[in-house]
Amino acid sequence: KAGVTQTPRYLIKTRGQQVTLSCSPISGHRSVSWYQQTPGQGLQFLFEYFSETQRNKGNFPGRFSGRQFSNSRSEMNVSTLELGDSALYLCASGPGTGVSYEQYFGPGTRLTVT
Amino acid sequence: QKEVEQNSGPLSVPEGAIASLNCTYSDRVSQSFFWYRQYSGKSPELIMSIYSNGDKEDGRFTAQLNKASQYVSLLIRDSQPSDSATYLCAAKGGGSQGNLIFGKGTKLSVKP
Repeated sequence: KAGVTQTPRYLIKTRGQQVTLSCSPISGHRSVSWYQQTPGQGLQFLFEYFSETQRNKGNFPGRFSGRQFSNSRSEMNVSTLELGDSALYLCASGPGTGVSYEQYFGPGTRLTVT
Repeated sequence: QKEVEQNSGPLSVPEGAIASLNCTYSDRVSQSFFWYRQYSGKSPELIMSIYSNGDKEDGRFTAQLNKASQYVSLLIRDSQPSDSATYLCAAKGGGSQGNLIFGKGTKLSVKP
């Protein structure tokens, strides 16, 4: 099975701009979660989508939004970028059901805001 | 605030030794626990999952879970320099919550 893919892998943006990141989950996985990883804060949960519905949301401002399509692919959007948004953004997919709840990460998108 | 705590390290062990990584969690209803390995500049890779009290072995890795003590550990036997990485512990929130709560990771260094 192909793994989780994320595009683009690297991105440089300017403060105030917006950005859209894309994630294609492992075939058959219905859950897609997004995380932000920074050296100081570690891995922080942004949101999870399951069958096109946001099922859970972390403590991030409304500038961070996402969606999931019928083929389970997901996009994350960040508007009005701030310097502090510079981070590695990781997408993880999983079956999303049952007690096991294993998640598999994509390679990430490295976002730099200048 | 649901938390997962790990010793940040670095933990240094000689090649061939057993590396022991520990993790505690605050949410008593958590049922599923995971260990991820993250090499520098790479994304986390799932290496172990455990759901029941006791030990679970997979090759050189053994995960241990004690729900009464809210404690999870990972043992790496016959440690190799290629095991040098940051190890992240994660717990799934209880109920219908879908997110994993991650610790900040323990950096392991295996010296040849």
